[in-house]
Amino acid sequence: DTGVSQNPRHKITKRGQNVTFRCDPISEHNRLYWYRQTLGQGPEFLTYFQNEAQLEKSRLLSDRFSAERPKGSFSTLEIQRTEQGDSAMYLCASSYSGFANEKLFFGSGTQLSVL
Amino acid sequence: SQQGEEDPQALSIQEGENATMNCSYKTSINNLQWYRQNSGRGLVHLILIRSNEREKHSGRLRVTLDTSKKSSSLLITASRAADTASYFCATDVMETSGSRLTFGEGTQLTVNP
Repeated sequence: DTGVSQNPRHKITKRGQNVTFRCDPISEHNRLYWYRQTLGQGPEFLTYFQNEAQLEKSRLLSDRFSAERPKGSFSTLEIQRTEQGDSAMYLCASSYSGFANEKLFFGSGTQLSVL
Repeated sequence: SQQGEEDPQALSIQEGENATMNCSYKTSINNLQWYRQNSGRGLVHLILIRSNEREKHSGRLRVTLDTSKKSSSLLITASRAADTASYFCATDVMETSGSRLTFGEGTQLTVNP
């Protein structure tokens, strides 16, 4: 079990640029989640996949955000035309779940700073 | 919006003392989970308690759940400096069952040696 891996660990970008983050979940997990966390706050749900299907997307999520999980394995989260308000820790988590949520395994996150 | 609210926001204790953190939530749940987060790292699952359970233990952790009051508490006994971290409750809400966990804003625990 190698755990959930996220890359890059840190990303600094200028406002208006596009950024893409990658998440490699635990291999046998069928669910993959993206959360965003700002300093002093709890993780805020962005979106989740079951296998390759994106089943839910937060209403708070701007159209500038898009996520994919081709072939139900790794996932990418892209933010287009970044804004300073996008600065946050982006967390990926995976789980193997039936009809109810069991525990999530989190990666170490990607810290995004938009200048 | 956050489903869970932790209380207190910050807690500072001496090594060896017990630490109690509380979580309140708003809507019916399937289960409630507690996670720990060291600074700048991802979250680590600690314990899960289901809606039909009232108390659960894991090592030095004790979790209670009162569904009538929509609240939970996490007790860490005989705390150690290594327990210093943020602690979050997360709920699997019935209306969104099978999808996301909703996290509270966390309690920052500092254990002084």
